Amino acid sequence: DGGITQSPKYLFRKEGQNVTLSCEQNLNHDAMYWYRQDPGQGLRLIYYSQIVNDFQKGDIAEGYSVSREKKESFPLTVTSAQKNPTAFYLCASSMGLVIYNEQFFGPGTRLTVL
Amino acid sequence: GDSVTQMEGPVTLSEEAFLTINCTYTATGYPSLFWYVQYPGEGLQLLLKATKADDKGSNKGFEATYRKETTSFHLEKGSVQVSDSAVYFCALSDPLESGGSQGNLIFGKGTKLSVKP
Repeated sequence: DGGITQSPKYLFRKEGQNVTLSCEQNLNHDAMYWYRQDPGQGLRLIYYSQIVNDFQKGDIAEGYSVSREKKESFPLTVTSAQKNPTAFYLCASSMGLVIYNEQFFGPGTRLTVL
Repeated sequence: GDSVTQMEGPVTLSEEAFLTINCTYTATGYPSLFWYVQYPGEGLQLLLKATKADDKGSNKGFEATYRKETTSFHLEKGSVQVSDSAVYFCALSDPLESGGSQGNLIFGKGTKLSVKP
């Protein structure tokens, strides 16, 4: 089955620790995205990548970092510089940055910083 | 910049009632429009989309028509079921969005729908 996997589903970390969220896709998609979802806020774009070894900041990139060393993987690191990291994080992919292309979403990772 | 505005929820309906969730947008160019659905604890799934004015997207009994004159893309369903309970997001993708981020989605805040038996 093709799709996007995110792990873990739930993640707890102490304040001040960096944490990396995994996102893998086997859809052969070129573009990948990270979103943050807060209650009543909708989804906000953190980073996106059009191709391997290239990525761009989204609307709320501060305190986050990403890498795109392989086409199928786009991990997100939440650093200690992120002031309010507790949120639901969603990874997505699409065939490319074409406006009518559907984005496919993973099941999400709920991060709680204690 | 571009934006999407959805009616605020939550929306509570009885089974078999008619559903409308309003969505309006502002965009620089001629965007593609989407409705996504999120069931509890899950990621988003595409429900339907429309890529040009007057297009009607439809899926699973849901419909939405791309109205350029009113910059709207309202979601409708004639008879909702308990299984339709979810959060619904309207989104757009604008070819003229600043910063070269064509293809990125801009989401509304979501509307939570609860359907009672």
